[in-house]
Amino acid sequence: DQQVKQNSPSLSVQEGRISILNCDYTNSMFDYFLWYKKYPAEGPTFLISISSIKDKNEDGRFTVFLNKSAKHLSLHIVPSQPGDSAVYFCAASVVWGNTPLVFGKGTRLSVIA
Amino acid sequence: NAGVMQNPRHLVRRRGQEARLRCSPMKGHSHVYWYRQLPEEGLKFMVYLQKENIIDESGMPKERFSAEFPKEGPSILRIQQVVRGDSAAYFCASSPYKGDSGANVLTFGAGSRLTVL
Repeated sequence: DQQVKQNSPSLSVQEGRISILNCDYTNSMFDYFLWYKKYPAEGPTFLISISSIKDKNEDGRFTVFLNKSAKHLSLHIVPSQPGDSAVYFCAASVVWGNTPLVFGKGTRLSVIA
Repeated sequence: NAGVMQNPRHLVRRRGQEARLRCSPMKGHSHVYWYRQLPEEGLKFMVYLQKENIIDESGMPKERFSAEFPKEGPSILRIQQVVRGDSAAYFCASSPYKGDSGANVLTFGAGSRLTVL
């Protein structure tokens, strides 16, 4: 029972263009959403988050959009850089703080120079 | 300013042996989470612990797996009588107390890669 779904296993984007990574969820109780980035042989690192009271959160080149009615969120990276090539995980939680996160399977982003 | 420290980074065991994975949380963090990543899969939650307490073990297999976070020392994930299907990357994460900022963000270690021959 996959509560957080990332339906695109991989994505290739040219350097300088926009990367859009998508995530859908089924549990309507989720109120907090996070994106993590993972390089090979390393642990995931936190990128950006959003709570359900917002529909957009921006941090530099990274923007997360949340559509609660559609149970959908997306991560936009503009402009994409070769160093952004990694696996991106979407994660969600019902409550804020001290709770396990539910992760999607990840999307492998390749930014081509 | 060490982050979450996991060891060993790589562990090879034969079927039937025991595997012990250790995790020291970030300084000031009192909550530890263990996740498992099977090949080509996402991160699956296993167990969530505070010092001396298991808070949520809903993702832990019922047999052969156990976890602890003693008052002193690192958190330990123990797998008894390992089988080939246990081969995976095991990640530990930590978070500060709920009242502290950033409590919703889990900080991950680099992982321990278990290979069962």
